[in-house]
Amino acid sequence: ETGVTQTPRHLVMGMTNKKSLKCEQHLGHNAMYWYKQSAKKPLELMFVYNFKEQTENNSVPSRFSPECPNSSHLFLHLHTLQPEDSALYLCASSQDPGGTEAFFGQGTRLTVV
Amino acid sequence: AQSVTQLGSHVSVSEGALVLLRCNYSSSVPPYLFWYVQYPNQGLQLLLKYTSAATLVKGINGFEAEFKKSETSFHLTKPSAHMSDAAEYFCAVSDRGSSNTGKLIFGQGTTLQVKP
Repeated sequence: ETGVTQTPRHLVMGMTNKKSLKCEQHLGHNAMYWYKQSAKKPLELMFVYNFKEQTENNSVPSRFSPECPNSSHLFLHLHTLQPEDSALYLCASSQDPGGTEAFFGQGTRLTVV
Repeated sequence: AQSVTQLGSHVSVSEGALVLLRCNYSSSVPPYLFWYVQYPNQGLQLLLKYTSAATLVKGINGFEAEFKKSETSFHLTKPSAHMSDAAEYFCAVSDRGSSNTGKLIFGQGTTLQVKP
């Protein structure tokens, strides 16, 4: 069992669809993150949650809506996406927000058609 | 604010040769530094980390990195490359400034190619 599990691994959606990405961590961590990885671009931090509270929104468009119901689960709700939103979306967790290493899931490969 | 620069987006070495991937950082506070590896269509796996203990850090798969404050560098090395080392490598610094969110700030990544 991996520490951070993301589902689905692959997702194809139309621009008018609504879908959700799920992340679950089994490490007892208190901080969770969403990153976006596009081709030819550095990893972009999207959202940070500490103890279920959102502490950072890195100027992400409102068509991406995160949800953190508890310290173990993190969702990314998607609606009316654009083709340029196609990317690998990575979830990560860390013990605390104080600078320890983050553990990553395997990512969800999202394609918007 | 913290930042990371990886020198060289592509590095190619022969199998058995030395691997050297370069990373320079900028930080207003003593940094925590990390190297991650990413295989195709996978997430990021931690190779090693520096958190202000020993300046020479050993990681998994035979990799190591040395923290040099005077050069603001944290280069990744491996004495002998293996075909399985072909992947993308990311250097990262932890946000330990005033916001202290713990988020990782990544470099642009370096793709390592290993030739037979």
